Amino acid sequence: GENVEQHPSTLSVQEGDSAVIKCTYSDSASNYFPWYKQELGKRPQLIIDIRSNVGEKKDQRIAVTLNKTAKHFSLHITETQPEDSAVYFCAASIGGGGNKLTFGTGTQLKVEL
Amino acid sequence: DAGITQSPRHKVTETGTPVTLRCHQTENHRYMYWYRQDPGHGLRLIHYSYGVKDTDKGEVSDGYSVSRSKTEDFLLTLESATSSQTSVYFCAITGEASTEAFFGQGTRLTVV
Repeated sequence: GENVEQHPSTLSVQEGDSAVIKCTYSDSASNYFPWYKQELGKRPQLIIDIRSNVGEKKDQRIAVTLNKTAKHFSLHITETQPEDSAVYFCAASIGGGGNKLTFGTGTQLKVEL
Repeated sequence: DAGITQSPRHKVTETGTPVTLRCHQTENHRYMYWYRQDPGHGLRLIHYSYGVKDTDKGEVSDGYSVSRSKTEDFLLTLESATSSQTSVYFCAITGEASTEAFFGQGTRLTVV
């Protein structure tokens, strides 16, 4: 089955700096790659996703890049703010209506003032 | 937020007892999923459903069973709870035309 590895497990940045989280996947059939943000005690919530026919996608301060050949994708957060502090999860799936997600192990991002 | 609720939100139970967690959705979505979340493991798929009475196993299905008798309800049962099943359980739903998964608030289960 699919295996998703995520790095780093913890990341500390100064407010205003950029943060990058990287993931690799094993199944070349995976074609949907979402990123979830989870605040302490809350549910995971989708922040951005990308499909395999796209190399990059941006939404304000966040962007995701995908390299299908190397089977890795990354989350980029620019101009980080304290409210960006949370755990971020990458995931991969075949996509479609039945969206069985395989998650990475998470990155604890701390944005320091 | 998508209409998805889990019950109970917290539960403490003893080893060997049966436990059922409920996921209820008001979105009429076809697909429903149960994940467990543990430190160092992220979220792992337990079981999923692609329609009423249609279910299949996920990555970590041993010791769990599910049922879906109505579109809106997906039940997760631990037949005989063990301490290794202490975890936070999340239900999720996806619609037919969308791949975004919406999660419930989670159920924190402690098996003592």
